[in-house]
Amino acid sequence: KAGVTQTPRYLIKTRGQQVTLSCSPISGHRSVSWYQQTPGQGLQFLFEYFSETQRNKGNFPGRFSGRQFSNSRSEMNVSTLELGDSALYLCASSFWDRALYGYTFGSGTRLTVV
Amino acid sequence: AQSVTQLDSHVSVSEGTPVLLRCNYSSSYSPSLFWYVQHPNKGLQLLLKYTSAATLVKGINGFEAEFKKSETSFHLTKPSAHMSDAAEYFCVVSRNTGGFKTIFGAGTRLFVKA
Repeated sequence: KAGVTQTPRYLIKTRGQQVTLSCSPISGHRSVSWYQQTPGQGLQFLFEYFSETQRNKGNFPGRFSGRQFSNSRSEMNVSTLELGDSALYLCASSFWDRALYGYTFGSGTRLTVV
Repeated sequence: AQSVTQLDSHVSVSEGTPVLLRCNYSSSYSPSLFWYVQHPNKGLQLLLKYTSAATLVKGINGFEAEFKKSETSFHLTKPSAHMSDAAEYFCVVSRNTGGFKTIFGAGTRLFVKA
């Protein structure tokens, strides 16, 4: 069965621009979570969507937003990019109860802001 | 409150020798505990999980972990390290009681020497 697919794999953007990242979860998974991974901060939770509704949110500024579609695919958007947004963005999908089943992660999108 | 502490940021072993990666947790509720592995420039892969069944949990690639409630620990072990085990390992505590919450440890980088 297909894994979690994230596109694009690599992205280079300029400060001030905006970016949209995409995630297609495993078939049957209705929960999609997004994480930012950096060497200094480790894995930080951005938000989780379940059945097109944001179920949980981390402590990121409003420049970071997301959405989920009826087919469970999710996008996250970062507006007004800053140098500090350079990171690996990971998408993880799960069944409704991720405390029971855990996550399946995508390979990530490596965003570089210059 | 919920937290997870990986006691070593780096562990170095020789190929063929045992691996021990240490993880302590705290949780106000009965937690689920997970170990994930991340190879360079890849997403995270679920190694094993504890969800209140057997306290000794076997995972993929010969890894196992033992849940010890009295010690609030969930250490990851493998009898014999292989070069391909070199990666970063994350201990994760999760719950769905009192609100969904998933906390990642800071990670332990495992080096395997030939």
